[in-house]
Amino acid sequence: GAVVSQHPSRVICKSGTSVKIECRSLDFQATTMFWYRQFPKQSLMLMATSNEGSKATYEQGVEKDKFLINHASLTLSTLTVTSAHPEDSSFYICSASGSWYNEQFFGPGTRLTVL
Amino acid sequence: AQTVTQSQPEMSVQEAETVTLSCTYDTSESDYYLFWYKQPPSRQMILVIRQEAYKQQNATENRFSVNFQKAAKSFSLKISDSQLGDAAMYFCAYRSGETSGSRLTFGEGTQLTVNP
Repeated sequence: GAVVSQHPSRVICKSGTSVKIECRSLDFQATTMFWYRQFPKQSLMLMATSNEGSKATYEQGVEKDKFLINHASLTLSTLTVTSAHPEDSSFYICSASGSWYNEQFFGPGTRLTVL
Repeated sequence: AQTVTQSQPEMSVQEAETVTLSCTYDTSESDYYLFWYKQPPSRQMILVIRQEAYKQQNATENRFSVNFQKAAKSFSLKISDSQLGDAAMYFCAYRSGETSGSRLTFGEGTQLTVNP
């Protein structure tokens, strides 16, 4: 299957700082990438969908000025959590889909802790 | 909007026994895909099995099989000969068949415990 990586796997930051998470498709071109947030023992909540070269589409209730998503190439999408606060602490997962795939391939996730 | 419901927050099974996880969904579409994902403690999402709605035959992958009842909008996962490594959170998911970039809609998840 196709491989998706995420970096970093864990990050701890101080309140008020910004954190960037990278999502890369290693062996295929990802026309669409998805960003999810998952709290402990809960399901995945879709935050936004991004298509290469265009603006991300955010789900209702997700602040697009706080969670900046860039999908500048067919293999890389980034999520930047701006001015992070403790309530932003969560597990963030990306997934990627190519134009010929009927499934999404998931990255291993990033655990963000904001102190 | 499509919804996916998993009514069993927790299930347990004895090693080597069989367990069935339930999933129902609601949609007005005729073309869609259904998935079961496994999320072990590592939290890496792993695709277990996939079913295309247009296929009448139930999907099977080794010890994993589904019972797809399209009219009833039911999509249960059967795990046979359960192994300790099957212990994980299992998510049922729906995807529209309209485009390959369609979003996934997940159920709430079922935490499966396998007892030795």
